[in-house]
Amino acid sequence: DAKTTQPPSMDCAEGRAANLPCNHSTISGNEYVYWYRQIHSQGPQYIIHGLKNNETNEMASLIITEDRKSSTLILPHATLRDTAVYYCIVRPRERGSTLGRLYFGRGTQLTVWP
Amino acid sequence: EAQVTQNPRYLITVTGKKLTVTCSQNMNHEYMSWYRQDPGLGLRQIYYSMNVEVTDKGDVPEGYKVSRKEKRNFPLILESPSPNQTSLYFCASSGLNTGELFFGEGSRLTVL
Repeated sequence: DAKTTQPPSMDCAEGRAANLPCNHSTISGNEYVYWYRQIHSQGPQYIIHGLKNNETNEMASLIITEDRKSSTLILPHATLRDTAVYYCIVRPRERGSTLGRLYFGRGTQLTVWP
Repeated sequence: EAQVTQNPRYLITVTGKKLTVTCSQNMNHEYMSWYRQDPGLGLRQIYYSMNVEVTDKGDVPEGYKVSRKEKRNFPLILESPSPNQTSLYFCASSGLNTGELFFGEGSRLTVL
């Protein structure tokens, strides 16, 4: 059961902002939105997460819509090293039946070009 | 250093020869999980464990077994590997109240 929907691919010019969308229209009230990225065939790496407020860290910003049905990961100044597959997942942060099953799907292949 | 360690990183084996891919984490995480990644199919969950002696099936558990006898270890067992289990495998762990997953570097398995 896909819980998130992402475009299969996007591209972005180096130095420009990359905005990666994710649809999670069936998100539950206790589920957070998490973003990961995978460079080549390395293990996915955590980027950021949020519940309902916008979040920012040294890697990216996360904008979650007011109804929480979608979000956007923003890489403010994309570099060539940001070329990767980006995954958006939803997951609760408390014990419960949905904590274990996680759906990563195919993610979005972001290509940053010079 | 906090890490998830998988072994072996690369393995070529033959159909039917039992093998185990080990996964160990040093972060005292309760949750551990295995994924396989195939071209065009993304990451698919095989099994997960919420704590010691507690395991459950993910999306693609057929042909695999797991065990969680100790908190730090979560081995993936292929009792009788077949060519369709040729894949890139990832182990991941997290605390139950933190949520962020830490992934291993992957194990590339080829079954001939």
